[in-house]
Amino acid sequence: GESVGLHLPTLSVQEGDNSIINCAYSNSASDYFIWYKQESGKGPQFIIDIRSNMDKRQGQRVTVLLNKTVKHLSLQIAATQPGDSAVYFCAENRGSQGNLIFGKGTKLSVKP
Amino acid sequence: ETGVTQSPTHLIKTRGQQVTLRCSSQSGHNTVSWYQQALGQGPQFIFQYYREEENGRGNFPPRFSGLQFPNYSSELNVNALELDDSALYLCASSLDRGSTTEAFFGQGTRLTVV
Repeated sequence: GESVGLHLPTLSVQEGDNSIINCAYSNSASDYFIWYKQESGKGPQFIIDIRSNMDKRQGQRVTVLLNKTVKHLSLQIAATQPGDSAVYFCAENRGSQGNLIFGKGTKLSVKP
Repeated sequence: ETGVTQSPTHLIKTRGQQVTLRCSSQSGHNTVSWYQQALGQGPQFIFQYYREEENGRGNFPPRFSGLQFPNYSSELNVNALELDDSALYLCASSLDRGSTTEAFFGQGTRLTVV
């Protein structure tokens, strides 16, 4: 069935390096995407979103890129810090009810 | 802090029992969605409430039911608990039910069924 998936289940980076987390989606009708960060024992925390009429959006130290041609989404984290260690989910909103479809997540580990 | 609060934070129930989980949405938000997150998985959509009515439902059996109150807080009820119901239950509130509306999550309720 249709789903949002992630290319890499784990990612380990050195503190200070840039991190790139990738996500593929399968429904070309999806019009809104969100990246969430989830720390152990906590609920998902909103990081950044992007609508389908955009291909790039920047926040504080984070950038989301959307490639609708290949149905690919990425989250770039600049100067990764130990506090960035968490599981990152991309979520796709394509339901008429506005429900989010999540992938399994990528675990980011930052080495000091 | 998202302003979305859930209670209780942890709960242990016996198979066959019933459970009620509660969620207070962020001020001004009229839409609440519930998600189930099994260990190591992404959240799965259970259902959504908009202005006290169910606005959509995921692939969950009828023993998962909910309510939304006039103040937009919400309850998730699960009857006849099964071991596989053990999970983190997340509530998300949003300003509206639209497909491009940000959803903010609470900390979740960790349910363990034994």
